[in-house]
Amino acid sequence: DGGITQSPKYLFRKEGQNVTLSCEQNLNHDAMYWYRQDPGQGLRLIYYSQIVNDFQKGDIAEGYSVSREKKESFPLTVTSAQKNPTAFYLCASIPGTSNYGYTFGSGTRLTVV
Amino acid sequence: QKEVEQNSGPLSVPEGAIASLNCTYSDRGSQSFFWYRQYSGKSPELIMSIYSNGDKEDGRFTAQLNKASQYVSLLIRDSQPSDSATYLCAVFYNQGGKLIFGQGTELSVKP
Repeated sequence: DGGITQSPKYLFRKEGQNVTLSCEQNLNHDAMYWYRQDPGQGLRLIYYSQIVNDFQKGDIAEGYSVSREKKESFPLTVTSAQKNPTAFYLCASIPGTSNYGYTFGSGTRLTVV
Repeated sequence: QKEVEQNSGPLSVPEGAIASLNCTYSDRGSQSFFWYRQYSGKSPELIMSIYSNGDKEDGRFTAQLNKASQYVSLLIRDSQPSDSATYLCAVFYNQGGKLIFGQGTELSVKP
């Protein structure tokens, strides 16, 4: 079945540690996105990529990094510079720059311990 | 000014009633508008999309768009307890090809 796979579902990070969240899609979509959601709030854009080897910062990119070496994969690294990383992270994709709405992965819940 | 704004709620309606959810947006050039439903702890699920002024109906859901007023709404007829969720309004910004989300409206349907 085609879709977006995020892993892990739950992730615990110690203070000062970098962690990487995986996002893989087999939909042949060109554009991929990372959002962060805090309790009771909407989604805020972290990074997005419309083509391989290219990505742009969203509204809250500080403390995060991404890569887009393959069309199928768009991993997000939460660095130690992100002071408040506890949140629900969502990956999404669309074909090209179409406007038919995103397909979302099931999310990764990150907690600092 | 927030780019996409929704009433945060919570909105409580009795079972069988009509639930009305509202959203305003700031970019007059936006052409694509979406409503997502999100259950607690789950990812958002697309339930409606609308691109032209007027109404678009799909089952118990009706999306309404008024570009002159920069206003989008979602009506849920015959509300059911299973409709209890957070509803996110999203607007597609052609520049950058990205969806901007509102903060969501929590809906509670009481049996």
